[in-house]
Amino acid sequence: QSALTQPASVSGSPGQSITISCTGTSSDVGAYNYVSWYQQQPGKAPKLMIYDVTNRPSGVSIRFSGSKSGNTASLTISGLQAEDEADYYCSSYTRSSTLVFGGGTKLTVL
Amino acid sequence: QVQLQESGPGLVKPSETLSLTCTVSGGSVSRGSYYWSWIRQPPGKGLEWIAYIYYSGSTNYNPSLKSRVTISLDTSKNHFSLKLSSVTAADTAVYYCASLYCSRNSCYLNYWGQGTLVTVSS
Repeated sequence: QSALTQPASVSGSPGQSITISCTGTSSDVGAYNYVSWYQQQPGKAPKLMIYDVTNRPSGVSIRFSGSKSGNTASLTISGLQAEDEADYYCSSYTRSSTLVFGGGTKLTVL
Repeated sequence: QVQLQESGPGLVKPSETLSLTCTVSGGSVSRGSYYWSWIRQPPGKGLEWIAYIYYSGSTNYNPSLKSRVTISLDTSKNHFSLKLSSVTAADTAVYYCASLYCSRNSCYLNYWGQGTLVTVSS
């Protein structure tokens, strides 16, 4: 299985909005609404930020939102804050009942 | 609140077998809709899903690692384990255990261990 495709890096200034894309195929991202997003701070375990494409776990800021169109999912962070600087990974359940991750995107807050 | 904790050797010699255990607290490994998973992250690189196991014994593996991986579950000890054989330096990574919650309309990794670094070196 091939990794989902994410941009290697994105950046934005405080207060701005950014979007991270996650492109897969009809066998993973396009197959189900089972795309999730994880935030990873340096030296820490990933933290769930969005699940099932659009849902936010309790405690996650409403500034984080998710969407999907066809084989591409997106994570949008609005009102960018310094604490949002981290690596972000998308993940999808697949038709083979496996999991696949994206390559990760480094978010820099300028 | 489910908590997971990885344990095992931090150093493994090339060609040997890497063995890790994940102890689960705050919940039973026999609970439905939870698939107990292993994920790894080489230094400076991205996440890679390795395998999962359900309390029924059902398993699934990353095709790229399937020939070398065995995942198992011990309900009496409330833990699950990973074995990766014939390791090389490319298997050096932080290994995470995590719970994959999958129900009829939902599927995501909800709880993660803190991770454990395993280095493959002679």
